Amino acid sequence: NAGVTQTPKFQVLKTGQSMTLQCAQDMNHEYMSWYRQDPGMGLRLIHYSVGAGITDQGEVPNGYNVSRSTTEDFPLRLLSAAPSQTSVYFCASSVNRGDTQYFGPGTRLTVL
Amino acid sequence: GQQLNQSPQSMFIQEGEDVSMNCTSSSIFNTWLWYKQDPGEGPVLLIALYKAGELTSNGRLTAQFGITRKDSFLNISASIPSDVGIYFCAGPPNAGNNRKLIWGLGTSLAVNP
Repeated sequence: NAGVTQTPKFQVLKTGQSMTLQCAQDMNHEYMSWYRQDPGMGLRLIHYSVGAGITDQGEVPNGYNVSRSTTEDFPLRLLSAAPSQTSVYFCASSVNRGDTQYFGPGTRLTVL
Repeated sequence: GQQLNQSPQSMFIQEGEDVSMNCTSSSIFNTWLWYKQDPGEGPVLLIALYKAGELTSNGRLTAQFGITRKDSFLNISASIPSDVGIYFCAGPPNAGNNRKLIWGLGTSLAVNP
């Protein structure tokens, strides 16, 4: 099992550009989520999904979109990148919501 | 919203020292999870606690589920340089049925060899 994989590992964008952060898991987990991590702020939930076809907003959803067409994949889209979105992004999955979460290695995003 | 308070916020210790950190909440929790994040990596689960009073060890790490169900403690004995990282507590509060996972802000640990 590869667990949770994320691509790319590093990305630099210019303000206004759009991009998609990829996340995939091979553990057949129903629950997947996206967090951003900023210094002193801990992990903040952006969006989550309790199963294919179902997504919902977390604490800080503005500027991000998600979709869940399959159990395995949960991409995060930045619609129009802003410097405030410079952060480290983590994807995580678990059997169900509230269960132990397994994290990917993260994507380090810089928006200039 | 609900928060978990972790303390201390950061620690700088000498190799070989023991470490204690804790996590408190205003709500009752049914589960406490302790994660460690190595520099440049994603968090990894260290210990999961499911019962009030439970004491669980994982090598040099020991975690306890507080009797009040509103707190948890993590101890590291005889620290080594690879213990460096950020330690997070997390858990789903008992109230409500949405089982949203709440995270602490982390305790950053530095170990001087």
